[in-house]
Amino acid sequence: DTGVSQDPRHKITKRGQNVTFRCDPISEHNRLYWYRQTLGQGPEFLTYFQNEAQLEKSRLLSDRFSAERPKGSFSTLEIQRTEQGDSAMYLCATRTGGLHTEAFFGQGTRLTVV
Amino acid sequence: AQSVTQPDIHITVSEGASLELRCNYSYGATPYLFWYVQSPGQGLQLLLKYFSGDTLVQGIKGFEAEFKRSQSSFNLRKPSVHWSDAAEYFCAVGAGNAGKSTFGDGTTLTVKP
Repeated sequence: DTGVSQDPRHKITKRGQNVTFRCDPISEHNRLYWYRQTLGQGPEFLTYFQNEAQLEKSRLLSDRFSAERPKGSFSTLEIQRTEQGDSAMYLCATRTGGLHTEAFFGQGTRLTVV
Repeated sequence: AQSVTQPDIHITVSEGASLELRCNYSYGATPYLFWYVQSPGQGLQLLLKYFSGDTLVQGIKGFEAEFKRSQSSFNLRKPSVHWSDAAEYFCAVGAGNAGKSTFGDGTTLTVKP
C-alpha cells in the first residue's frame, strides 16, 4: 500500500452514463497526476495538479473528461457520456514538490463500459 | 517529445536465472528515469529511479539498473530471478519538476519453475 487511495476499485457502467472516480493522496503531496492505462499498454498521462491548480491537460483528455482538486487534497475525475473506448484502468499518482522526488501510484480504478 | 521503448513485449526466464529488461528513451535533456513493476489488476510500484550521479542504481527486491547516456538506455537487471518476480515491468522517463512521466508499453515477465 503506497498510501494513495482510489475509489472505487472497479466500476461497470452502461454506455452513455456518467462516472466519477476519486483519488486521495498522501497528505503532504501537493502534486497529483491522473493516468489512463489500456490493456497491453503503459500508463498515459491525462492531467496534473499542483495544489488546487490544474496545470496541464493532455490532448487525450476530451471535453467529456473533467478533473478537479477543489481544496488541494483529494481529486475527482469525471467522465460524461461514457463510451466503450473509455474502458481502461485509471491511475492516480502523487508526489511532493521538488526535483528529485518520485510519484507514488494508487491501485487504480478499473472502468468497464458495456 | 519524450518517448520510451521497451523492445521486448514478453520474456520468459527460469527461476534462478539472470534477467535483463531493456529500455531505450528519447529525451532532450538529462532524463529522470524509473522502473516500475505492476502485478495484475494492481497499481505501479517503484523499483528504482535515476536522477543524477552514479549511473548504476540499486533498487528494491534485488533489482538494479544502469543508465547509459551514449546508448540512451536504462536496462533493468537482476542476478537471480524468483517466481514472485513474475509481473509486468514498465520503464518511464520523467520531465523534471513537473513530474509527469512517459511510460513504455511494458515487458511481461514469466518465470518458469
